[in-house]
Amino acid sequence: AQSVTQLGSHVSVSEGALVLLRCNYSSSVPPYLFWYVQYPNQGLQLLLKYTSAATLVKGINGFEAEFKKSETSFHLTKPSAHMSDAAEYFCAVRGSNFGNEKLTFGTGTRLTIIP
Amino acid sequence: NAGVTQTPKFRVLKTGQSMTLLCAQDMNHEYMYWYRQDPGMGLRLIHYSVGEGTTAKGEVPDGYNVSRLKKQNFLLGLESAAPSQTSVYFCASSYTRSTDTQYFGPGTRLTVL
Repeated sequence: AQSVTQLGSHVSVSEGALVLLRCNYSSSVPPYLFWYVQYPNQGLQLLLKYTSAATLVKGINGFEAEFKKSETSFHLTKPSAHMSDAAEYFCAVRGSNFGNEKLTFGTGTRLTIIP
Repeated sequence: NAGVTQTPKFRVLKTGQSMTLLCAQDMNHEYMYWYRQDPGMGLRLIHYSVGEGTTAKGEVPDGYNVSRLKKQNFLLGLESAAPSQTSVYFCASSYTRSTDTQYFGPGTRLTVL
């Protein structure tokens, strides 16, 4: 079984400031980890994913995340926030074992950008 | 390509009514999924399918049924709607499992009175 915990349901940062969205996972097998973004009234869109290759993963729109096994974390960062980054962000986990098709989502973090 | 499409976009039902939500994808994906999204709870998997003619239960399957008669379509049915089924429903698809990206539809907002 696997699960993810997103710390902070709401995060506010100033335009140009660092964005840090936290995600911790629990998995009984080596995990595959994902970050998705949801803009208002839209479906989810993949930002980036970790699939056991490089631990530092770069995604779209300047976002990146680092897989840290010792800390069971997969935090999402962006050096400089832009107004267009305002959205809800979801961390998700899936087990890497055969037959595991289920993606388990966290409860989401709503990111607000302050002008 | 249209990607993943969902029909309808909005629907209001009375308690006890039935309806079917349609999901269609034109990417030749094997896997399809139905999720519901509720405030503060993220997305929860209702049912999924790993291929034409196959379906499986997810995390919250009670009160829903699904069918995958054609590879490109995945139907979600509510036989007797309840207010607890008021939610936003998302369909997704992926080529295979595990490392593959899931592509999401725009969602269906359902209200049950």
